[in-house]
Amino acid sequence: ETGVTQTPRHLVMGMTNKKSLKCEQHLGHNAMYWYKQSAKKPLELMFVYNFKEQTENNSVPSRFSPECPNSSHLFLHLHTLQPEDSALYLCASSQDEASSGGFHEQYFGPGTRLTVT
Amino acid sequence: GQNIDQPTEMTATEGAIVQINCTYQTSGFNGLFWYQQHAGEAPTFLSYNVLDGLEEKGRFSSFLSRSKGYSYLLLKELQMKDSASYLCAVRDSNYQLIWGAGTKLIIKP
Repeated sequence: ETGVTQTPRHLVMGMTNKKSLKCEQHLGHNAMYWYKQSAKKPLELMFVYNFKEQTENNSVPSRFSPECPNSSHLFLHLHTLQPEDSALYLCASSQDEASSGGFHEQYFGPGTRLTVT
Repeated sequence: GQNIDQPTEMTATEGAIVQINCTYQTSGFNGLFWYQQHAGEAPTFLSYNVLDGLEEKGRFSSFLSRSKGYSYLLLKELQMKDSASYLCAVRDSNYQLIWGAGTKLIIKP
């Protein structure tokens, strides 16, 4: 399998549930990202990992908890979510840009469509 | 604050040309990206501009003016499969991507 994969593709959960989203990249990249995409809004960067270390946490509520066990895998653990958290959650990967100073586009997974009831 | 503006929706005819504009105000500039996103799918990379001028890639071209904080994506010989959202993103001084809300392009026969 190639590129960036995400599971599950669709998830419906209640506000008291605990679930996890999984992302895997097969591109040999060393940076991984979680984004939230809501209808008619810009992509919101949630978390960034470079070489397995978290480098960005853009004021994301603690009910979202990321985990990056290695440079190929990224998880987003969810608990006690709110209905407004319903959105498409996208994972992306790239080569680390800040250190190389070069141009590296991000490759996106297909996303997990999350509905919180 | 940082801001990317692009039209919410545009309509064009198959075979025609369409230009999607993007204006930005960011903390620093380290390049501008255009991505295409079909409904229900992942965004895919289209183009990158870091210097002023036009970058051409087949039917798609992207233009950048850093002094004006302005870019456009030009799509020629439109095809029905070009119906998608087009996302403009600017990489700021911290090498983080700041995204626009996207322009939904509708192609009519």
